[in-house]
Amino acid sequence: AQSVTQLGSHVSVSEGALVLLRCNYSSSVPPYLFWYVQYPNQGLQLLLKYTTGATLVKGINGFEAEFKKSETSFHLTKPSAHMSDAAEYFCAVSDRNNNDMRFGAGTRLTVKP
Amino acid sequence: NAGVTQTPKFRVLKTGQSMTLLCAQDMNHEYMYWYRQDPGMGLRLIHYSVGEGTTAKGEVPDGYNVSRLKKQNFLLGLESAAPSQTSVYFCASRPDTSGAKNIQYFGAGTRLSVL
Repeated sequence: AQSVTQLGSHVSVSEGALVLLRCNYSSSVPPYLFWYVQYPNQGLQLLLKYTTGATLVKGINGFEAEFKKSETSFHLTKPSAHMSDAAEYFCAVSDRNNNDMRFGAGTRLTVKP
Repeated sequence: NAGVTQTPKFRVLKTGQSMTLLCAQDMNHEYMYWYRQDPGMGLRLIHYSVGEGTTAKGEVPDGYNVSRLKKQNFLLGLESAAPSQTSVYFCASRPDTSGAKNIQYFGAGTRLSVL
């Protein structure tokens, strides 16, 4: 079965600073990889996904992630944090059927003014 | 666009009581999922359905039952609620497709407390 490890349950950055949220995965088959964002008292919203092809994936709100097979990583980055980016972020992995999606424990991003 | 709608949004139960959570989607999606979210554990899959009349177990199915009598609805039942089932429950759905459109869409969640 697949699994995901998100390094750091809390990350705090200043407004305008680089955002880096780390995700490592384990999968015995070629994975689908996802980043979701969750704002307080809301459901999960897809930020971006990797299926096949280009390993650098661009998502909404200026976020991007790079699939690195050799490092089994899918870290999420944004060059300049905005106050509205404060939320909880989940990395997820699934097989190609996308019926057994496994989520990481989440990283809460705080953005300081 | 309603998307994925979960009913109710909040519920408090006593140990041993039963209840049903309803998930409805208006996107004609084949696949539907129930997850629970607990602090520090992310989301874990309870049950899922690949089409009307079918269900399958996920990672943490014990203590829950599901039914998919209509394509648009996926029900999650707790026959005898336990405090360990206090959680936030999310429903999701996705189309029967591969590649870029193979995305799960989530509801806003149901917050359940079992006393």
